[in-house]
Amino acid sequence: GESVGLHLPTLSVQEGDNSIINCAYSNSASDYFIWYKQESGKGPQFIIDIRSNMDKRQGQRVTVLLNKTVKHLSLQIAATQPGDSAVYFCAELVPGQNFVFGPGTRLSVLP
Amino acid sequence: DTGVSQDPRHKITKRGQNVTFRCDPISEHNRLYWYRQTLGQGPEFLTYFQNEAQLEKSRLLSDRFSAERPKGSFSTLEIQRTEQGDSAMYLCASSGQGREQYFGPGTRLTVT
Repeated sequence: GESVGLHLPTLSVQEGDNSIINCAYSNSASDYFIWYKQESGKGPQFIIDIRSNMDKRQGQRVTVLLNKTVKHLSLQIAATQPGDSAVYFCAELVPGQNFVFGPGTRLSVLP
Repeated sequence: DTGVSQDPRHKITKRGQNVTFRCDPISEHNRLYWYRQTLGQGPEFLTYFQNEAQLEKSRLLSDRFSAERPKGSFSTLEIQRTEQGDSAMYLCASSGQGREQYFGPGTRLTVT
């Protein structure tokens, strides 16, 4: 069936560097995407969203890029901090259906 | 705190027992969702309410599972005759006018 996947299951970055977390989605009908951050023992925390009529959206230290041609979504975190260590999920939404989440990427920030 | 809250945060039960979880959504949100999350996986959709109406149920939601939202505010998720395979994190989320969903802290269920 349709699914959301991730290129890298784990990512280690040096504190202060930029992080890029990737996500591939397979349903071309998906028109809305969200990135969530989940820390151990907590529920997913909304980070940023993007609609399919956009290519890029920026938040505070985060940027989401959407490439519909190759069905690729990425989350860029600038100046990664220890508090950014968590599992990051992308989720896609097809109109009239429910969110489908990928398995997640674990981000580890090294001191 | 005006976010989504869930109770209890942890539940340990013996196989065959019934358990009930509660979710209080963000107060102005009319849509409420239940998800299940197992270790190392993303959340999987279980069911969805708009106000008090349960509009959709996943095939994951067997007949041992039931959810209610009687007054369109808080919701409960009950699992009857629990099995070890029910051990998971049960997450609740709510949304308002937009499509973004905000999650609670989850209830971690362990069935022994």
